[in-house]
Amino acid sequence: EAQVTQNPRYLITVTGKKLTVTCSQNMNHEYMSWYRQDPGLGLRQIYYSMNVEVTDKGDVPEGYKVSRKEKRNFPLILESPSPNQTSLYFCASSLGQGLSRAFFGQGTRLTVV
Amino acid sequence: GIQVEQSPPDLILQEGANSTLRCNFSDSVNNLQWFHQNPWGQLINLFYIPSGTKQNGRLSATTVATERYSLLYISSSQTTDSGVYFCAVHSGAGSYQLTFGKGTKLSVIP
Repeated sequence: EAQVTQNPRYLITVTGKKLTVTCSQNMNHEYMSWYRQDPGLGLRQIYYSMNVEVTDKGDVPEGYKVSRKEKRNFPLILESPSPNQTSLYFCASSLGQGLSRAFFGQGTRLTVV
Repeated sequence: GIQVEQSPPDLILQEGANSTLRCNFSDSVNNLQWFHQNPWGQLINLFYIPSGTKQNGRLSATTVATERYSLLYISSSQTTDSGVYFCAVHSGAGSYQLTFGKGTKLSVIP
């Protein structure tokens, strides 16, 4: 089954404790991205990757890192999480960045206390 | 950047009723998609529809790109249709993200 898998689904952590949210897709998609969803602000892009070893910032990249060492995986790293990073996070993938359908992971609900 | 407006913001339907959700966008697009976010937070892709009309069961969508709008039709609504419906667009060259509207929150009551 074609899917984008994120882990964990839920995470409560403390300020400053490094964490990684994993994302994996099985559709051989070139393009992957991370979004965060906040009440009143909607979905905003954090980072995107057009292919292996090619990543770039989206609208809200501060406090986040990403890497794309393999085509299928695109982890999101929070080196020193802060309470303002409490949010619902989504990983997405598509064949290309424009002319194709986007598939989203199940979401990761992160709380930083 | 491109603006995406959805209407209505909220909609309450009796089970079995039909509804039309609208998405207006401020500039030409080469990609328009409709998503359903269910009560558990998952985002499900309903349609990839940059132009024309598509149908999938009780759902159908129409995009009139030249007039910069898209419509999502839900017929014979069911309680499982509840959630938030988002329209998202990609405006073309130089853009590397989908721009989402604020969504229409649909509640279907038995």
